[in-house]
Amino acid sequence: GAVVSQHPSRVICKSGTSVKIECRSLDFQATTMFWYRQFPKQSLMLMATSNEGSKATYEQGVEKDKFLINHASLTLSTLTVTSAHPEDSSFYICSARQGTQPQHFGDGTRLSIL
Amino acid sequence: GQNIDQPTEMTATEGAIVQINCTYQTSGFNGLFWYQQHAGEAPTFLSYNVLDGLEEKGRFSSFLSRSKGYSYLLLKELQMKDSASYLCAVTSWGNTPLVFGKGTRLSVIA
Repeated sequence: GAVVSQHPSRVICKSGTSVKIECRSLDFQATTMFWYRQFPKQSLMLMATSNEGSKATYEQGVEKDKFLINHASLTLSTLTVTSAHPEDSSFYICSARQGTQPQHFGDGTRLSIL
Repeated sequence: GQNIDQPTEMTATEGAIVQINCTYQTSGFNGLFWYQQHAGEAPTFLSYNVLDGLEEKGRFSSFLSRSKGYSYLLLKELQMKDSASYLCAVTSWGNTPLVFGKGTRLSVIA
């Protein structure tokens, strides 16, 4: 149980492209979803928290206009990196939680901007 | 704010036991988690402690002392596949998101 699917697993694209990453909870209703970013050999850094049907809460230093988050249903959240640049290259990981249960993570998306 | 400390790297021998420590400072503590993360992969849930004491799950055990702001993850009968980063994370009252430590990179050698 508690499976979170994240797609795509890998993206390579040119600078200036917008990239959408999907996160789905497959066997539970995710009341809250989280988006993390992880640079090589560093810890997971929380970017934003989203609750179904409401606007995401962004962490300090994360540009909400650049990282668009939509949590339209209890099983789907999307992160769109708009006009991506090489410095946005990173490992993006979503996680989902139902109520007070532990967070379960998707498999991550490795984004490489050329 | 929250502060989580754990050693950066550890090395242990196959078949041995290793203890990975984690200390934390947080207001409104509401649970400590351990995750395993292999290189290039997402974290996988290992354990959750909210009350003091030891939680055992197979070869892995996790201990918590809330008064000391301290936890450890104990791995027994180490296997080569246990080579990974182990992340300590805490959550606070209000169902806040997990805040992760920097992780401990464990290398299991023959």
